[in-house]
Amino acid sequence: SQELEQSPQSLIVQEGKNLTINCTSSKTLYGLYWYKQKYGEGLIFLMMLQKGGEEKSHEKITAKLDEKKQQSSLHITASQPSHAGIYLCGADSGGYQKVTFGTGTKLQVIP
Amino acid sequence: DGGITQSPKYLFRKEGQNVTLSCEQNLNHDAMYWYRQDPGQGLRLIYYSQIVNDFQKGDIAEGYSVSREKKESFPLTVTSAQKNPTAFYLCASRDRGQGNQPQHFGDGTRLSIL
Repeated sequence: SQELEQSPQSLIVQEGKNLTINCTSSKTLYGLYWYKQKYGEGLIFLMMLQKGGEEKSHEKITAKLDEKKQQSSLHITASQPSHAGIYLCGADSGGYQKVTFGTGTKLQVIP
Repeated sequence: DGGITQSPKYLFRKEGQNVTLSCEQNLNHDAMYWYRQDPGQGLRLIYYSQIVNDFQKGDIAEGYSVSREKKESFPLTVTSAQKNPTAFYLCASRDRGQGNQPQHFGDGTRLSIL
C-alpha cells in the first residue's frame, strides 16, 4: 500500500519567514493533494498536482511535484499567523478509489 | 451553498453502546468516505463508497459499520466492538469524473467515551 511521509512533523516560524513542507511517497504519485486543517475542523483543499515537474501557486503558497513524481513540496512565502494549522498531503491510491494521507505537519507562526 | 454536513459536532458514548455519526452531502458526488484522525496523526480510512448500495472496507474497518442507501447520505456506526473509539471523525465526498478529483470534507465529529 502507498505510504506518505511528511517532514517536518512540526514547525515554528517567525511571521514573515519562508518555510517548506515536504511529502515523500513510497510509490509514484498519480494525484497529489495538499490540504490545510485548523484544529478541530475539517480539511480545506489547497491544490492538486498531477504531472511531473508541475508547480501551482495560490496567494503566498506554492506546491511542486518533482519530475519523478515521488516527492512534493509546499512552500509558504512571508508567512502570516493566518497560515498556522496542520498541512496534510494526500495521494490517490487503490485505482483512484481511495486517498491515502500523510501524518501532517503542524505549523505555528509567531507574530 | 453546496457542502458536506456532519452531525453532531460532539458525541459521547457509554460502555457497550452503539452510536451513529451522520454525514450528508448536496454536492451530487458519487463517492463518499469516512476517516478517523487521532492526535498527532494523519487520516486513516475506515470505509468508502463509490456508488449507492455499495461500500468497501478501508484500513481500519473493524468495529465500524456503514450504509449507503441514498446518494446524499453515508452514516457511520461506531459499534461496541470498537474498543478505542475516542477520535475525531471526518466525512468526505468527491466527484468520480474523469481523472483526479479532490475530496471535500465536513467539519468533523469528535467522539469521546463517557
